Amino acid sequence: DTGVSQNPRHKITKRGQNVTFRCDPISEHNRLYWYRQTLGQGPEFLTYFQNEAQLEKSRLLSDRFSAERPKGSFSTLEIQRTEQGDSAMYLCASSEPGQTYNEQFFGPGTRLTVL
Amino acid sequence: KQEVTQIPAALSVPEGENLVLNCSFTDSAIYNLQWFRQDPGKGLTSLLLIQSSQREQTSGRLNASLDKSSGRSTLYIAASQPGDSATYLCAVMILTGGGNKLTFGTGTQLKVEL
Repeated sequence: DTGVSQNPRHKITKRGQNVTFRCDPISEHNRLYWYRQTLGQGPEFLTYFQNEAQLEKSRLLSDRFSAERPKGSFSTLEIQRTEQGDSAMYLCASSEPGQTYNEQFFGPGTRLTVL
Repeated sequence: KQEVTQIPAALSVPEGENLVLNCSFTDSAIYNLQWFRQDPGKGLTSLLLIQSSQREQTSGRLNASLDKSSGRSTLYIAASQPGDSATYLCAVMILTGGGNKLTFGTGTQLKVEL
């Protein structure tokens, strides 16, 4: 257990529905990252927060995706009008730049299946 | 654009064998390199982190080396055990103006057989 938690662990939804995932980082970490991992591939970067500010977004993050970190603590990732291609593992990570050379610690992930 | 390649994609070895996993990256201006382990359907567990100024890191039966100039890293696993069976991912970090995202390889799937 790295101290990063994600909920839910699994989500099955029908195409066209909206889904929201939550990530709770390690409490003293001010940086939070979202990645997406499809079967047989390595994780790909989606977006990054420093405190409550979203500082970088990947081109993978279409306009159906939105992420927030309202109080600089937990973060949510929402996918609107889900598509079958959104089926993947969504991973959250956190880091503290002043510690351990910005090592990122990952949560257990949320596996999304879109039917 | 940074690209990370891992070879081999899959590896099966008998218990007790020493083995080497390879990782290469195209942009040598990295800040650090991390090796992760991922069990099926699970998240990532960090194994070793090597700073760009370092040549190697060791933890138990694991040793990771880094040759930044040639864009290569290796993960050496000594005396492999069935419990080592997992996918091993290599990831590099480059400092950017906004954040420090990781770029991952596609992993090496390791199976250690009794």
